[in-house]
Amino acid sequence: AQSVTQPDIHITVSEGASLELRCNYSYGATPYLFWYVQSPGQGLQLLLKYFSGDTLVQGIKGFEAEFKRSQSSFNLRKPSVHWSDAAEYFCAVVYPIRGSNYKLTFGKGTLLTVNP
Amino acid sequence: EAQVTQNPRYLITVTGKKLTVTCSQNMNHEYMSWYRQDPGLGLRQIYYSMNVEVTDKGDVPEGYKVSRKEKRNFPLILESPSPNQTSLYFCASIGFSGLAGAETQYFGPGTRLLVL
Repeated sequence: AQSVTQPDIHITVSEGASLELRCNYSYGATPYLFWYVQSPGQGLQLLLKYFSGDTLVQGIKGFEAEFKRSQSSFNLRKPSVHWSDAAEYFCAVVYPIRGSNYKLTFGKGTLLTVNP
Repeated sequence: EAQVTQNPRYLITVTGKKLTVTCSQNMNHEYMSWYRQDPGLGLRQIYYSMNVEVTDKGDVPEGYKVSRKEKRNFPLILESPSPNQTSLYFCASIGFSGLAGAETQYFGPGTRLLVL
């Protein structure tokens, strides 16, 4: 069955350090890929998405993600983390099932802590 | 303004007392979905609907029902709630462009349910 894996449950970085959050998917073809952020007590906010084309996508808040087909990965990166980036991050994929139907599946999330 | 609304936002109930959480979207999207979010488990799909009168089980459908009588509404029904259904629930609506894949996703603000 198709799945989304975020290997890191919790990551701690210092403010100003670079960040990479990992996401791997299991699907025969290229799905549609998303990263969401959820701040404490808040809903989900879309950071960026990938459908096709350039494999490096830019998102909001200075985030970017790179799609690597050979590794079935869609890792999220930020060159310099700010304290306000502390939140939980979810990778999600949409892939077609049964003709024109689609299914949206989330990873279990990575909690980011930022130290001053 | 494009949005997904959920009601109620907070609900405390007792075991066995039927409840309904409403979800409504104003974007004429065909695809709607319900998720529950639990610590360490991420977001898990309960049910989804590709169109009016078309619903399908997600990953954790037990104890839930849904209906899709009209495109804008997708209520989540708990016929006999149990404490293990205490969770944070999100409704989502997605606009697809034919076979091009997911284009726009909107999430509701969440409904926090406590079943005593």
